[in-house]
Amino acid sequence: KAGVTQTPRYLIKTRGQQVTLSCSPISGHRSVSWYQQTPGQGLQFLFEYFSETQRNKGNFPGRFSGRQFSNSRSEMNVSTLELGDSALYLCASSLLQAGGPGEQYFGPGTRLTVT
Amino acid sequence: GENVEQHPSTLSVQEGDSAVIKCTYSDSASNYFPWYKQELGKGPQLIIDIRSNVGEKKDQRIAVTLNKTAKHFSLHITETQPEDSAVYFCAASSSNTGNQFYFGTGTSLTVIP
Repeated sequence: KAGVTQTPRYLIKTRGQQVTLSCSPISGHRSVSWYQQTPGQGLQFLFEYFSETQRNKGNFPGRFSGRQFSNSRSEMNVSTLELGDSALYLCASSLLQAGGPGEQYFGPGTRLTVT
Repeated sequence: GENVEQHPSTLSVQEGDSAVIKCTYSDSASNYFPWYKQELGKGPQLIIDIRSNVGEKKDQRIAVTLNKTAKHFSLHITETQPEDSAVYFCAASSSNTGNQFYFGTGTSLTVIP
């Protein structure tokens, strides 16, 4: 089974621009979560989508948004980029299961650099 | 919300020795505790997990223990090998928060040949 894929792997943008990142989950996984990873803040939850609906949202400004398509692929968008948005953006997919959180499998990430 | 603390931040061991990484959590509702290994340039890889109805779980050289009363869980790696060198993250989640995971700050493990 193919793992979680993320595109692009690397991206350089200028302050004020916007960016869209893409994630394809493991086949059969309908939950997709996004995380931001930085040396200073570690891994921080952005949001989770299941069946095209946002189920959970972390503590990030409204410039960060996402969506999920009917085939479970997900995109996240960051508008009006700031230098502090430079980070590794990770996508994780999981099967939902009764009785608790499901195992999450991460993609390789998209390295975003804002100049 | 949940707060996960992880110690130590760096750990060096001789090849063949054991390594132990400890995490504490604050939310008594947390019931799922995965551990991830992240190598340079890669995403985190799930290596073992434990649910709150179990006290210990083993998978070859890796084991995880959970103490719900004290709200702490630990990763044990025995017979360490150079390829175990990586950053390890613990995480906690609960049924209340779906798939929102709270991560520790990571432990950089170096296994010295």
